[in-house]
Amino acid sequence: QLQLQELGPGLVKPSETLSLTCTVSGGSINSSSYYWGWIRQPPGKGLEWIGDIYYSGSTYYNPSLRSRVTISVDTSKNQFSLKLSSVTAADTAVYYCARHFVAHGYTPYYFDYWGQGTLVTVSS
Amino acid sequence: DIQMTQSPSTLSASVGDRVTIACRASQSISSWMAWYQQKPGKAPKLLIYKASSLESGVPSRFSGSGSGTEFTLTIYSLQPDDFATYYCQQYYSYSPYTFGQGTKLEIK
Repeated sequence: QLQLQELGPGLVKPSETLSLTCTVSGGSINSSSYYWGWIRQPPGKGLEWIGDIYYSGSTYYNPSLRSRVTISVDTSKNQFSLKLSSVTAADTAVYYCARHFVAHGYTPYYFDYWGQGTLVTVSS
Repeated sequence: DIQMTQSPSTLSASVGDRVTIACRASQSISSWMAWYQQKPGKAPKLLIYKASSLESGVPSRFSGSGSGTEFTLTIYSLQPDDFATYYCQQYYSYSPYTFGQGTKLEIK
């Protein structure tokens, strides 16, 4: 059974960089059928896609966050990571990592497996 | 961005009811639509993809339909486990992928 687990600090100071890692178990990140993505959800609000990465390192980012986001992959550890710079209180959210299904030759489709999520609070 | 608008925002229903949640896209997305269920404190769970395809393991009382800009999620014979928040997501455009604002299904 595929499992995804987000890890990282639960508290980040304003203007600093938020860093999270997602560890994938029960399956390989080295698959041509999936991208690996980050989605966030502010408390009591809806879902916002942040970005995706392929095992090769190819990425897609949300244009609204592109200037502050870096997503990387470490296939040797079966992990991928998120860095979000210059955070403010508006970046306080539950951050989810998820598997993003992709059909050959197309951009990713839907998210079929999700981690449990981790709350990151931006506060001094 | 493609805007996804769900209606209603909140829906009250009883066990055994049939309920329908609507999602409208700001432009045509063909059938590139997914539906998710989210319970409090939990991650979203994929229910439907490609507008009407049921994800493996999802009960057959869940059904999706629509194409273009108008989509619906129907739950036939509501069960206690179905009270949750539901989100639609378009994957016609990756710039960016967008979700609806959610529909909270409450017990009447």
